[in-house]
Parts: sequence; C-alpha cells; structure tokens
Amino acid sequence: GQSLEQPSEVTAVEGAIVQINCTYQTSGFYGLSWYQQHDGGAPTFLSYNALDGLEETGRFSSFLSRSDSYGYLLLQELQMKDSASYFCASANQAGTALIFGKGTTLSVSS
Amino acid sequence: DAGITQSPRHKVTETGTPVTLRCHQTENHRYMYWYRQDPGHGLRLIHYSYGVKDTDKGEVSDGYSVSRSKTEDFLLTLESATSSQTSVYFCAISDEGSHEQYFGPGTRLTVT
Repeated sequence: GQSLEQPSEVTAVEGAIVQINCTYQTSGFYGLSWYQQHDGGAPTFLSYNALDGLEETGRFSSFLSRSDSYGYLLLQELQMKDSASYFCASANQAGTALIFGKGTTLSVSS
Repeated sequence: DAGITQSPRHKVTETGTPVTLRCHQTENHRYMYWYRQDPGHGLRLIHYSYGVKDTDKGEVSDGYSVSRSKTEDFLLTLESATSSQTSVYFCAISDEGSHEQYFGPGTRLTVT
C-alpha cells in the first residue's frame, strides 16, 4: 500500500517559521508534492521535490530525504493569509495519479 | 486559472437516486481525476483518466463510475447515491499524470 503521514494541526504566530513534516511509505517513489488549500477553496500546487535537498520558492521551502522517506514544508515570515490546510502528496506506483496525505491545518495568529 | 470548471457546484439529492457530476477543461490536458474530500480523510482518489475512453480506479472507487468521451469532459456518476457519498468532490487535471495538478472549484454533494 501507499500512505503519507503528516500532523493534523500546527499553530504559529505571525512572523514565525513553521515546519510541516510528511513521512511516506510507497511502493515506488516519484517525488513529493505539496499543496495548499484555504477554507472553502480548491487545493493549489505549491512545490515538488524529485531529488533530495531543499527547494525554495519565496517564503516557502520544501525538503526531501529519500533515504529517510521524509519531507517537510517550511513556511517563513508567517502571515495571517498562510492559515490554510497543507497536503503532501506522492504519485501512485504506476506514476499516473497522486495519493494525498490527510492534511495539516495551519493556524496563524497575531 | 487552469480553465477547469465543475457542474453543478452544489447538489442535494435523495438516497437511491443517480447523480452525475461534470468536469470540463479548456486546457487539453491528458489526465483528469476525481477526488472526494471529507473531514479527517484529506483528498481521496476515486477514478482517473489518462485519455479519451481510458480510465482507471483509485482508492475509493466503489459506488462510482466515470466516463470520458471527449478530451475536455470527465463525468463522475453515482449510480445509486448513498448518505456515505455526501462529500465535496474535486476534479483535477494535469499534463503528465504526476505531481502538478490543477483543481476545479469543487462540487458539494449532499445525499439525504
């Protein structure tokens, strides 16, 4: 089977840094994706790591360690608008579809 | 925007009735997907398509069927709706069936 585990909730204050972890078990591995979803909205793509290491996109960074079957999303200089759910995802064994984790709800307070 | 729409956006139906949800794209993407989203379960893949008339099952396909007769349209049918199918349904599209997917706005379905 295939599964991705992430914490259900994370809280932080404006201006802080938060890390959302994701551990995975997959039959085949094509990389780790991250999506953001605001309440009532649709998921939107944030980042993708095919190889080990850190990918940076503005205030957001994503990290992957294939040897540890682990990745994380790092959000810096948190803003209230970053309050949302964040999902890690990985392709199925055939590489034709994504399997998502259950999501982490991030609450940013002032 | 990736040019993906879903219809209807909201629907209330009774147990035992058939329901069809439509996903329409204007981007000519090869892959199309149907997910359901429920509290505590995240996004779960129902079915997906990798071309016209080419479909495959996802992790929660029981009680659902799909059809894709044109590149731009992917239909999800609940043959006989049950209360356990009350959910928010998202359609998504992608070029290569991999990591970057574009999601539609969702359909909120309530089965009473």
